[in-house]
Amino acid sequence: QSGLTQSPSVSGAPGQKITISCIGSSSNIGAGYDVHWYQHLPGTAPKLIITANSNRPSGVPDRFSGSKSGTSASLAIAGLQTEDEADYYCQSYDRNLGGLVVFGGGTKVTVL
Amino acid sequence: QVQLVQSGAEVKKPGASVKVSCKASGYSFRNFGITWVRQAPGQGLEWMGWINTYKGNSKSIQKVQGRVTMTADTSTSTAYMELQSLRSDDTAVYYCARDQSGWGSLDHWGQGTLVTVSS
Repeated sequence: QSGLTQSPSVSGAPGQKITISCIGSSSNIGAGYDVHWYQHLPGTAPKLIITANSNRPSGVPDRFSGSKSGTSASLAIAGLQTEDEADYYCQSYDRNLGGLVVFGGGTKVTVL
Repeated sequence: QVQLVQSGAEVKKPGASVKVSCKASGYSFRNFGITWVRQAPGQGLEWMGWINTYKGNSKSIQKVQGRVTMTADTSTSTAYMELQSLRSDDTAVYYCARDQSGWGSLDHWGQGTLVTVSS
């Protein structure tokens, strides 16, 4: 089984903490491959917000955090802000795909 | 600063080809590969393929294998993605992004190029 599964949508009020899950399998996340997370606002290029499971690139607020366990990974956004409303994608390598990379289906975050 | 600047929007008829360019600046082009990602209308991101800009070897998803050619010109620090035998479901925004290994994170992205396939 290949591919990464994300919930289609998550919502929260300003200031709340939300968590986005990325469920993989033994051929990708479970095999130990890194998970990366991107924020994608309409009409703009995706932005890397978490690299190698839990590392924030320079300039990314510490409200964003990532973790990985077993065959899944999670992105948490604490202190939710209106500008966090976007689509979020996880990405990993999958050995069942002949050495290729796969994105999750994306999660739409809505700030209520 | 690192920049990837892509060519402009294209409108093509089914069966035609399109070639999208991605000009890099602000870093050593040969030290990083280029990944191509696309997003069809209303859909999520789809990883298409990756080229090693130094060696020239590439890999791509089965869906576009045989139709896609990825190249890199180190003299101009420009990567190209040519897609042939275009179909309506190739209509998408195409992005290039920097990726050192071919399976790592994409830390800098181009602005995107809309390719519309319509008769």
